[in-house]
Amino acid sequence: IAGITQAPTSQILAAGRRMTLRCTQDMRHNAMYWYRQDLGLGLRLIHYSNTAGTTGKGEVPDGYSVSRANTDDFPLTLASAVPSQTSVYFCASSEEEDQPQHFGDGTRLSIL
Amino acid sequence: GESVGLHLPTLSVQEGDNSIINCAYSNSASDYFIWYKQESGKGPQFIIDIRSNMDKRQGQRVTVLLNKTVKHLSLQIAATQPGDSAVYFCAENMGSGGSYIPTFGRGTSLIVHP
Repeated sequence: IAGITQAPTSQILAAGRRMTLRCTQDMRHNAMYWYRQDLGLGLRLIHYSNTAGTTGKGEVPDGYSVSRANTDDFPLTLASAVPSQTSVYFCASSEEEDQPQHFGDGTRLSIL
Repeated sequence: GESVGLHLPTLSVQEGDNSIINCAYSNSASDYFIWYKQESGKGPQFIIDIRSNMDKRQGQRVTVLLNKTVKHLSLQIAATQPGDSAVYFCAENMGSGGSYIPTFGRGTSLIVHP
């Protein structure tokens, strides 16, 4: 079934550790996105990529980095996790940047 | 900064009634708007979209209305069903430096009573 796969589905992590959240799509979409979702704040854009080889900063990029080496994969890295990064992280993709987004089912990340 | 907002955080309706979920946006440069539905434990799911050159668009049981004069967006769900219970988000896309940057509202929880 075509779609977006996120891994892991959940993770508990010690503060200060490095963590990479994985995101893979098989729809050959050009644009990909990372959001965090916190209660009462909705979805906030962390980073995005309009096409392979390019990335851009969203609303809350600090403490996160991304790469887009190919069309299918868009990993999100927390270099040194802090408790404020406890959240649900969603990856999304769209055929083009001005098209509807398809979302994965999220990664629930707890930083202790 | 400019942001997308919602008037009602929770909406309760009876099965079979029509539901209207509202959204206000403040950035006049936004030209593409999307409604998403999010069920518990899942990612948001696309429902319907509308571009700024339109004021109404219909789908299956859903209608989106766009009023650019007052910067208001609404989602109408006809004959609401228990399966429609979810959180609904509006999102606006605006061009910035050659890219479209999406901004989501905080969401409205729709509760459908059988």
